Amino acid sequence: QKEVEQNSGPLSVPEGAIASLNCTYSDRGSQSFFWYRQYSGKSPELIMSIYSNGDKEDGRFTAQLNKASQYVSLLIRDSQPSDSATYLCAVRTGRRALTFGSGTRLQVQP
Amino acid sequence: NAGVTQTPKFRILKIGQSMTLQCTQDMNHNYMYWYRQDPGMGLKLIYYSVGAGITDKGEVPNGYNVSRSTTEDFPLRLELAAPSQTSVYFCASSNTSGVLKREQFFGPGTRLTVL
Repeated sequence: QKEVEQNSGPLSVPEGAIASLNCTYSDRGSQSFFWYRQYSGKSPELIMSIYSNGDKEDGRFTAQLNKASQYVSLLIRDSQPSDSATYLCAVRTGRRALTFGSGTRLQVQP
Repeated sequence: NAGVTQTPKFRILKIGQSMTLQCTQDMNHNYMYWYRQDPGMGLKLIYYSVGAGITDKGEVPNGYNVSRSTTEDFPLRLELAAPSQTSVYFCASSNTSGVLKREQFFGPGTRLTVL
């Protein structure tokens, strides 16, 4: 079982819709959770972090964490073509570096 | 602040050659990391460092070496390049504001091809 799993996609949504990206993780001791956006040929860019159960909102982005079910999700409201990218879920357990999922490719159709 | 910088941006190596990928950060971060990303895949940790003089292996360290003589620099050395090392290499750094909120920031990457 992979430590961090994401559906590779592509996830296609129309412009203005809500995009929902999901991630599950295997280690119950995981403490911090991050979402990175990566445009093709570019480096990952941190867009959200979440540390406790519930929702965290930042502009059009909402991160949701459910530690009991071991999943974390990212909602993007009012999706724009510029949101088209690969979204990487990353998890930290203890003092180690982040463990990344393989990413979900999002396509926002104009 | 320039953040995390990496050189070179691109490199083509022949099998058996050696090279050093440079990484520098100007944010006074203690923690630094090297990842590789193969096409369509996530990032795999090669090595990391929690401070000058301290390094540790990550998930895929074979074929690589690192050193950390200063807070700012964390070079990655490939001694005998192999085609399996063809990848994009990212350096990252993070602050030490608690274990939970240690956010990682990435450099622009080095695209390496071994032929």
